This record gives sequence, structure tokens and C-alpha cells, in this order.
Amino acid sequence: DVKVTQSSRYLVKRTGEKVFLECVQDMDHENMFWYRQDPGLGLRLIYFSYDVKMKEKGDIPEGYSVSREKKERFSLILESASTNQTSMYLCASSPMDRPSGYGYTFGSGTRLTVV
Amino acid sequence: AQSVTQLGSHVSVSEGALVLLRCNYSSSVPPYLFWYVQYPNQGLQLLLKYTSAATLVKGINGFEAEFKKSETSFHLTKPSAHMSDAAEYFCAVLGDYKLSFGAGTTVTVRA
Repeated sequence: DVKVTQSSRYLVKRTGEKVFLECVQDMDHENMFWYRQDPGLGLRLIYFSYDVKMKEKGDIPEGYSVSREKKERFSLILESASTNQTSMYLCASSPMDRPSGYGYTFGSGTRLTVV
Repeated sequence: AQSVTQLGSHVSVSEGALVLLRCNYSSSVPPYLFWYVQYPNQGLQLLLKYTSAATLVKGINGFEAEFKKSETSFHLTKPSAHMSDAAEYFCAVLGDYKLSFGAGTTVTVRA
């Protein structure tokens, strides 16, 4: 089975801190995604990447950046954490060669609280 | 751009009763549609997907969904609810390699 591993289940950070959320997948998938999940809003796409060193903005990229130095790892960076970034963050991956009709595999999520 | 709308943020059913979760889509091209489930404190798990083959799609855990182009709908059903079905359910549509999700429907199951 494809595994998508997010390094932390729970994080508590202070306002203004730089925060790194790490995601690793083990099935050589080209595509990787970061979503945030908030009650009543579903999942909203922050950033995604089709390949190493490539990144594309999603629907809500403000206040975030990403890094993909290796194919298996996709990091989400909060440059200066704010309380409105308190949320559940979900990482996902999918293969490039079957994009149509192929869903994502998700990690278990990181619940981030900014105080 | 493709999008989905889930009707009803909360659904409460009795154990053994029918589960019906509603999803309508908007797409300018034939859509690829998905239903995901999220159990408490977990990530999302794929229930089923529609990829323009059969209009009635069977998934895991006894769930199925029917694609109706005339109604632009992809509703999820399960004939008999079980306590273990209590979770949040998301409908999603694939566009440009990216999934767009609905707001989710939380299902509670009464004993």
C-alpha cells in the first residue's frame, strides 16, 4: 500500500514562528499536495507539486511556501505563523501516469495550533 | 472550473436505516468524481470513484454511488447504516490533476 507519512500529528507553535510541516510518500509518486481542512469549508488546496523543485499555487497560498528537493518529500512552510493558520493540514500524493480517475492517497494529517 | 456542492452538513440516521449523502457537481467536461471518508483523527480514505464507466459505482464498506448526468449528481448511499459508518464524508471532483472538495457531511448513527 502507498503510504503518505506526516511527521507530526499535533503541533503547537507561537505566533510569528517559522513552522515546517513534513510529508513523505514511499511509492515514487510525481504529484504531491498540501490541503488545509477547516470545519464547514472542506479541504482547500494550498500548494501542489508535479515534480522535484516544481511548485504551483493552489487556492489559498498566502502565508505559506513549499519545498520539494526530493521526489518523496514535500514540505509546507509557514513563514510567520498566525492564529488564523490554526487548522488541520493534510498531505496527499498521486501518480502522474494515471491522473484521470485516480484519487489521492492522504496522510493522517497534522493538527496545528498557533497560540 | 470543476466544483462540487454537498447538500447538508450533518446527517443523522438510525442503525439499520438508509444512508443518503447528496453531492452535485459542476463541470464543463465529463467529470471524474470521488467520495472520501474521514474517521476521527485520521486522514481521508477513498470510498469509491466514478471514471465514466458504469454509472452505478460500488465502493468499500457497502457504499455505492450513482452518477446522473441529467441531474449533475453523484449521491452516496448505503442501504443499512452501521455504527462504524459515523464519520465525515467528502465528495470531490478531479480537474487539472487537482481534486476540489465539497464542504463535507458529518454522519452520526443512532443506536
